[in-house]
Amino acid sequence: KNQVEQSPQSLIILEGKNCTLQCNYTVSPFSNLRWYKQDTGRGPVSLTIMTFSENTKSNGRYTATLDADTKQSSLHITASQLSDSASYICVVSEPNDYKLSFGAGTTVTVRA
Amino acid sequence: EPEVTQTPSHQVTQMGQEVILRCVPISNHLYFYWYRQILGQKVEFLVSFYNNEISEKSEIFDDQFSVERPDGSNFTLKIRSTKLEDSAMYFCASGPQGDTYEQYFGPGTRLTVT
Repeated sequence: KNQVEQSPQSLIILEGKNCTLQCNYTVSPFSNLRWYKQDTGRGPVSLTIMTFSENTKSNGRYTATLDADTKQSSLHITASQLSDSASYICVVSEPNDYKLSFGAGTTVTVRA
Repeated sequence: EPEVTQTPSHQVTQMGQEVILRCVPISNHLYFYWYRQILGQKVEFLVSFYNNEISEKSEIFDDQFSVERPDGSNFTLKIRSTKLEDSAMYFCASGPQGDTYEQYFGPGTRLTVT
């Protein structure tokens, strides 16, 4: 069964600091990997999408990396802000498969 | 900026009742999806819909579930006879045609079955 595992489950960081979230997946073959941000009680919002041929993608203060050989991805948040407090979800898609496999998410809390 | 909308935001129903959750996808999108998220758990895929038919469905999407695009704008999820375990947040998503299969999520409908 295709799985997406994320770590840590949660983390607390001080405003202005950086953090890195990890994602390991077993989905194979694999089409693309996405990172979503989900605020409490809201729908996920896409941050980045990377195909198997890409190894890094940035969106403002968010930078995602992908190693398709080791099936690992990371999301780096730079200079965190209070509004970054949310769940960050790693999502993997199979080729020609509109179904997305979601990780359980990492809950990030940014404190002043 | 166009966005996916969902109604109602919260639906309370009794076990055994039928519910219809409604979604208005982004207007030029061609792919439509339903997901659910039980409180405290991960988002789970239910069904994808393209060209007026189901393109993929998960094992969760059994005979109690159905989807419909009754007109050019709405996309609905019907649960025929709700169970307590159907209580969850239900997200609709839509996507344009393209290589990345980007999906834009609505704000969700919280379904509470009592």
